[in-house]
Amino acid sequence: QVQLVQPGAEVREPGASVKVSCKSSEFTFTDYHIHWVRQAPGQGLEWMGWVNAKNGDTNYAQNFRGRVTMTRDTSINTADMELARLTSDDTAVYYCVRSSGWSKFDYWGQGSLVTVSS
Amino acid sequence: QSALTQPASVSGSPGQSITISCTGTSSDVGGHNYVSWYQQHPGKAPKLIIYGVSNRPSGVSNRFSGSKSGNTASLTISGLQAEDEADYYCSAYTISSAFDVFGGGTKLTVL
Repeated sequence: QVQLVQPGAEVREPGASVKVSCKSSEFTFTDYHIHWVRQAPGQGLEWMGWVNAKNGDTNYAQNFRGRVTMTRDTSINTADMELARLTSDDTAVYYCVRSSGWSKFDYWGQGSLVTVSS
Repeated sequence: QSALTQPASVSGSPGQSITISCTGTSSDVGGHNYVSWYQQHPGKAPKLIIYGVSNRPSGVSNRFSGSKSGNTASLTISGLQAEDEADYYCSAYTISSAFDVFGGGTKLTVL
């Protein structure tokens, strides 16, 4: 069964950075793009970008360019998303998502709650 | 990159059918068939229920169907059941930028 496993929660102070990991299993990691999608409390889904697990290429949404870095480590089938210069507006659940086609997000991690608070 | 437009809420009684719209532009929804729909229950991750405008993943009920006309995609749920009460999101790919974009979400209430 395809799995994307994320840590449960992280707490950071304003101005800090957070790195969220996404450990995949039961599929060929390098055949897919891994996307990151966030959801602020009570709000909708917001697409952040993707990393090509095969070659490491990335594409970031304009709202996050300059502040987000998506990487992958094929030796441990893990994708990471690091977001810098956090503010309270970045408090959200962050999901890693496998895409098996354009805009076809077929498997989702359970989400990691990132809370930004002093 | 603007979010796709969905109604904030829809409602229906058990057994009825409802339709949720998702309006974009010729650069995303109207430009190709890469439109998907997701169902999200409270506290859970979203679940893919329609991809490629009208295709259902294995295991998704045939009560869910998708279509598109011009820049607007639609999700129809027939034979409404209590378990269908959830938030629904559309997504679309933007070919020119390789971006994806989501709709604002629609809360479905089963009366």
